[in-house]
Amino acid sequence: GQQLNQSPQSMFIQEGEDVSMNCTSSSIFNTWLWYKQDPGEGPVLLIALYKAGELTSNGRLTAQFGITRKDSFLNISASIPSDVGIYFCAGPGSGNTGKLIFGQGTTLQVKP
Amino acid sequence: DTAVSQTPKYLVTQMGNDKSIKCEQNLGHDTMYWYKQDSKKFLKIMFSYNNKELIINETVPNRFSPKSPDKAHLNLHINSLELGDSAVYFCASSQIPGVANSPLHFGNGTRLTVT
Repeated sequence: GQQLNQSPQSMFIQEGEDVSMNCTSSSIFNTWLWYKQDPGEGPVLLIALYKAGELTSNGRLTAQFGITRKDSFLNISASIPSDVGIYFCAGPGSGNTGKLIFGQGTTLQVKP
Repeated sequence: DTAVSQTPKYLVTQMGNDKSIKCEQNLGHDTMYWYKQDSKKFLKIMFSYNNKELIINETVPNRFSPKSPDKAHLNLHINSLELGDSAVYFCASSQIPGVANSPLHFGNGTRLTVT
C-alpha cells in the first residue's frame, strides 16, 4: 500500500537554527501537504504543493514538491520556540475519496 | 468561531463500556472524517462521510460505528471498549473529497483512555 517515510523522526535544535526535514514515498503523489500539530491540538495545514518542482513559502517555512513526485522537503529558517511540535507530511490516498496518507511525523524541539 | 469541534476532549472509561464522541463543523464542508492517532503519533483514517453517506471504512472493527445525522455532524460510537482502543481520535472535514485543493481541517482531538 501507499506509505510515506519521514525523516528525521525527531530533532532538538537551538533557537535561531535552520531546520530541514523530508518525506519520501514508494509511489507517485500528485499533491503533497505539510501539517503541524501543536501539543494537545489537531494538525493544522502549513503548506500545500500541487505541482512537481513547485517551491512554496509560508513565512519562515519553505516546502518543495520533488521533481520525481515521490518526495517533498520542508525547511524552517531561523527557528523560534513556538516552532515546537510535530510536523507531518501527507498525500492523497488512492481512490479520489479525500483520504490522506500521513508520514510518521518529525518531532521538533527548540531550545531557547 | 471554532471550525471543527469535538467533545469530549478527554474520555476515561473501563473496558467493556460503550462510549460516544461527537463532532460538529461550521465550515459548510460536505465531507467529514474520523482519524485515529496512536501512541506513536501515527495518524490513520478510520471513516469518512460525504453529505451523510459513508465513503471510507478502513477495516475498522465493527465495534466502531459512525453516524452522520446531517453533513455538519459526524459522531463516533464505540461498543465494548478494549485497552487497544486507547488513542487520540480526530474529527476532520473538507469541502470536497478527492480534490487536491480541498485540504482537511482537524478538530482538537478526543483523548480516549481505556482502563
